[in-house]
Amino acid sequence: GAVVSQHPSRVICKSGTSVKIECRSLDFQATTMFWYRQFPKKSLMLMATSNEGSKATYEQGVEKDKFLINHASLTLSTLTVTSAHPEDSSFYICSARDQEGGGEKLFFGSGTQLSVL
Amino acid sequence: QKEVEQNSGPLSVPEGAIASLNCTYSDRGSQSFFWYRQYSGKSPELIMFIYSNGDKEDGRFTAQLNKASQYVSLLIRDSQPSDSATYLCAVSYTGGFKTIFGAGTRLFVKA
Repeated sequence: GAVVSQHPSRVICKSGTSVKIECRSLDFQATTMFWYRQFPKKSLMLMATSNEGSKATYEQGVEKDKFLINHASLTLSTLTVTSAHPEDSSFYICSARDQEGGGEKLFFGSGTQLSVL
Repeated sequence: QKEVEQNSGPLSVPEGAIASLNCTYSDRGSQSFFWYRQYSGKSPELIMFIYSNGDKEDGRFTAQLNKASQYVSLLIRDSQPSDSATYLCAVSYTGGFKTIFGAGTRLFVKA
């Protein structure tokens, strides 16, 4: 399957700092990427849809000024958690849609565990 | 509103048995169906996809789709303890904007 690389895998930061997470599609071009967060033993929660060359589409209740998304190329989307606070601590996962072969399969990055002290 | 429903489990089966995971979806316009496996602390991994009614087999995994009943299932034959994970059912629409995920079913395979 397609490979999606996510970096870093783990971040520990102080409250008030900003954290950038990168998501790259390694062997295919992804015009659309998705960002999720997941709390322990809970289901995936879609935060936003990242569109190459245009503004991201945020889900209801997700602060766009808090979670900045940039999709500057067909292989890279970034999520910046601005002025992080302890309640932002979570597992953040990106995914990219690969439409080769029909269908629209999603492939996930390895996730980023964010801990805000 | 499009919904994907799964039994949260946990589903417990003995090693070597068949594990059967079920999923229903609300929108008849659904086109593509996926099963993801997620180990604790890891991101989801695509294990099966199916687009047409009927069965699709890949190794120990069989996906079954019944569009008339809006039902998709995953069978795992000869279950192994390493199959213990949460299995997410997902549904998408041709040209659609999002993939809708179920909440997942936790599977435990007892050695």
